Amino acid sequence: GEDVEQSLFLSVREGDSSVINCTYTDSSSTYLYWYKQEPGAGLQLLTYIFSNMDMKQDQRLTVLLNKKDKHLSLRIADTQTGDSAIYFCAERGNQGGKLIFGQGTELSVKP
Amino acid sequence: EAQVTQNPRYLITVTGKKLTVTCSQNMNHEYMSWYRQDPGLGLRQIYYSMNVEVTDKGDVPEGYKVSRKEKRNFPLILESPSPNQTSLYFCASSLYSGNTIYFGEGSWLTVV
Repeated sequence: GEDVEQSLFLSVREGDSSVINCTYTDSSSTYLYWYKQEPGAGLQLLTYIFSNMDMKQDQRLTVLLNKKDKHLSLRIADTQTGDSAIYFCAERGNQGGKLIFGQGTELSVKP
Repeated sequence: EAQVTQNPRYLITVTGKKLTVTCSQNMNHEYMSWYRQDPGLGLRQIYYSMNVEVTDKGDVPEGYKVSRKEKRNFPLILESPSPNQTSLYFCASSLYSGNTIYFGEGSWLTVV
């Protein structure tokens, strides 16, 4: 069945770049999403990429999609302490609005 | 303003006491669904609905019921809650093939 995998933890220093990786199995994915969840809060949509795109940039965020390897990454430039959160990747398959989420990567930014 | 509204946001209840978490959207979306979030597991879909009176099981439906009598509302019903249903619950809505999925703010449910 459909599956999305992420590593659980990432620690970086303030000012460095963070790269959060995600792999998925559904080759019929239409959109892939990145969500951010701060402690005790809900889900915030950061960005999404259509499956026929390779890259999308939005200010400090860069999303790279390698459809052949089914690999998605989120790069955060100049990471700040306010970026500390859990980041979820999710893929939208062919079942209407259903999202398949990864386990979430907890990003810790150290000063 | 486009919104998905869930209630209650926080609830502590006892095993076996029926409860309902309401979800309402104001965007005339066909597709609505419920997810639960557990540490290390991400979000998993419980139930979904493709339109009024059309509902189906997601990946973790056991212990839950839903209904879709009106397009805007999609309540999640726990007939006899158990401690393993302690979780953070999200309602979501979207157009069937749109690119944007809207989430509610989440409902923290504790069953003791």
